[in-house]
Amino acid sequence: DSGVTQTPKHLITATGQRVTLRCSPRSGDLSVYWYQQSLDQGLQFLIQYYNGEERAKGNILERFSAQQFPDLHSELNLSSLELGDSALYFCASSSHRQGMDTQYFGPGTRLTVL
Amino acid sequence: DAKTTQPNSMESNEEEPVHLPCNHSTISGTDYIHWYRQLPSQGPEYVIHGLTSNVNNRMASLAIAEDRKSSTLILHRATLRDAAVYYCILRTYSGAGSYQLTFGKGTKLSVIP
Repeated sequence: DSGVTQTPKHLITATGQRVTLRCSPRSGDLSVYWYQQSLDQGLQFLIQYYNGEERAKGNILERFSAQQFPDLHSELNLSSLELGDSALYFCASSSHRQGMDTQYFGPGTRLTVL
Repeated sequence: DAKTTQPNSMESNEEEPVHLPCNHSTISGTDYIHWYRQLPSQGPEYVIHGLTSNVNNRMASLAIAEDRKSSTLILHRATLRDAAVYYCILRTYSGAGSYQLTFGKGTKLSVIP
């Protein structure tokens, strides 16, 4: 158990819909990272937040957005969903602002878009 | 982007040592080499990391070539629980004061009882 929690575990929705994925970091960690893992693309970094502020952006689509709240939990919002958005979404946390330390990953949310 | 090259898959017998290779010929002087593994149906898990010197921890050892263009993750005694996809990653500076882990395809390790 990494100490990172993600909800829900599974999510099934239809194309065009909007969903929100939630992540609670390990106690004391201020950085949260979001990754997408699909069969053809592997694990791709989406975005990082540190103490409520965006720190780094990866291959995140404009239809996707994230935020980190004062209690440090983070949400990833996916809108106008397409079939290709079906994937595993992982959240990771670390204590370092610049991402220089170990990242601890949650169990993931499996999103299925029908 | 700094890239790594790993074999797609490897097999090992249980209780024998496993050497997982990784090539990273474009590594720069400040890039750390990280290894993570992903067990079936789980999120990635940190294994080990290093910069220049060989490193040991309770999970594995990391041997880094003198020119840093390759490294090898060593599991001293493979168990069935070690069956996973192993990712060799260069932690690179992405600009704007942040470092990123860029995952490749990894090596799928199968452990034979």
